[in-house]
Amino acid sequence: SQTIHQWPATLVQPVGSPLSLECTVEGTSNPNLYWYRQAAGRGLQLLFYSIGIDQISSEVPQNLSASRPQDRQFILSSKKLLLSDSGFYLCAWSVWATRDSPLHFGNGTRLTVT
Amino acid sequence: GDSVTQMEGPVTLSEEAFLTINCTYTATGYPSLFWYVQYPGEGLQLLLKATKADDKGSNKGFEATYRKETTSFHLEKGSVQVSDSAVYFCALRYKGGGNKLTFGTGTQLKVEL
Repeated sequence: SQTIHQWPATLVQPVGSPLSLECTVEGTSNPNLYWYRQAAGRGLQLLFYSIGIDQISSEVPQNLSASRPQDRQFILSSKKLLLSDSGFYLCAWSVWATRDSPLHFGNGTRLTVT
Repeated sequence: GDSVTQMEGPVTLSEEAFLTINCTYTATGYPSLFWYVQYPGEGLQLLLKATKADDKGSNKGFEATYRKETTSFHLEKGSVQVSDSAVYFCALRYKGGGNKLTFGTGTQLKVEL
């Protein structure tokens, strides 16, 4: 069966420090991969999605970047964190090119920028 | 653009009460529709889905019917339990463009004894 791993679960970082969140998927090949952010008291905002290695689309211009060095690995990064980067970050995967297949989410990373 | 609108919460109910969480969508074609649930401190879990008009998704006593004429996908449950307390997200999805999900803002449900 397929599983998704996301780490760390919680992270406290000072303003201006770098960020690296990692997500890996097991049990499937060539998945679509996604990064979402959930700010406190708000809904889910899509940050990046990827349909293949080195194929990454950014939905919202911001202080973050994403990379997909391997088929089932998706990394969210920042060179210098801002206070506004605080939030709950969720990684997700889905079967490629299937409209009715759902997204499967990891357990999330709670990031607090101080 | 595509969007999903959910009723604002929090919704507070007594155990065994009837639940309705409204969801309407705006889309140019025929998306698939989903309900996700998020328990405190956790990621999102798929609750149910419907892929075409008049489809009914159901799971764990929850139901939602894809209504094309009213562009709605309201979530219902006949008798809620304390363990149903969570945040519920309505979402739509198209093929193409990465098959990404567009979410509503979420509705928090609190069920009390």
